[in-house]
Amino acid sequence: EKVMTQSPATLSVSPGERVTLSCRASHSIYRNLAWYQQKPGQAPRLLISGASTRATAVPARFSGSGFGTEFSLTIDSLQSDDIAVYYCHQYSDWPGTFGQGTKLEI
Amino acid sequence: EVQLVQSGAEVKKPGESLKISCKTSSYNFVEYWIGWVRQVPGKGLEWVGIIFPGDSETRYSPSFQGQVTISVDKSISTAFLQWNSLRASDTATYYCAKHRMPYNELSSLDYWGQGTPVTVSS
Repeated sequence: EKVMTQSPATLSVSPGERVTLSCRASHSIYRNLAWYQQKPGQAPRLLISGASTRATAVPARFSGSGFGTEFSLTIDSLQSDDIAVYYCHQYSDWPGTFGQGTKLEI
Repeated sequence: EVQLVQSGAEVKKPGESLKISCKTSSYNFVEYWIGWVRQVPGKGLEWVGIIFPGDSETRYSPSFQGQVTISVDKSISTAFLQWNSLRASDTATYYCAKHRMPYNELSSLDYWGQGTPVTVSS
């Protein structure tokens, strides 16, 4: 089973700031990586698939990059509505695995 | 608009059985794998298992193999997650989620149900 490690676990942020979240895979997953946003009491929402392709209706301030074992999610000009927990998810094999999440705090 | 609507919150006792549902709409149900994801309160996400409604082929995460059963009813475009004997450790919110790519068991998850909280307590 591939282990996904996200860093940092918690990040203090301010509106307008550029934020970068990291996700590392224990083995190569090529580009089979997704990012999700989860707000309290809500289901996760797909932001990025294929490491860098934004999902439908996702604002352009969200971007993903990476290949193999190192990936990142960048939020340009953070808005207060972006405060949430972000999870990466590898789907290169079954069962796919999720990172433990990065929580953004104001 | 694609929708996944899950059944409501459940409170059960250890040893009881339970079947929760995920009713889908506005896409071709039989073409996309659909799965269940567990989230223990305050914790992260973990796969329970997935099913391909076209032929009911199923995959379970090793942690859940033999502990739960995933099924579908194609006639009503609905997926199910079932326990025969619940344990306190099954307490969590369970989400159903649709695979983004048709026919592909390895995919990101583009639509999610609202979650079904399950509480198991004596």
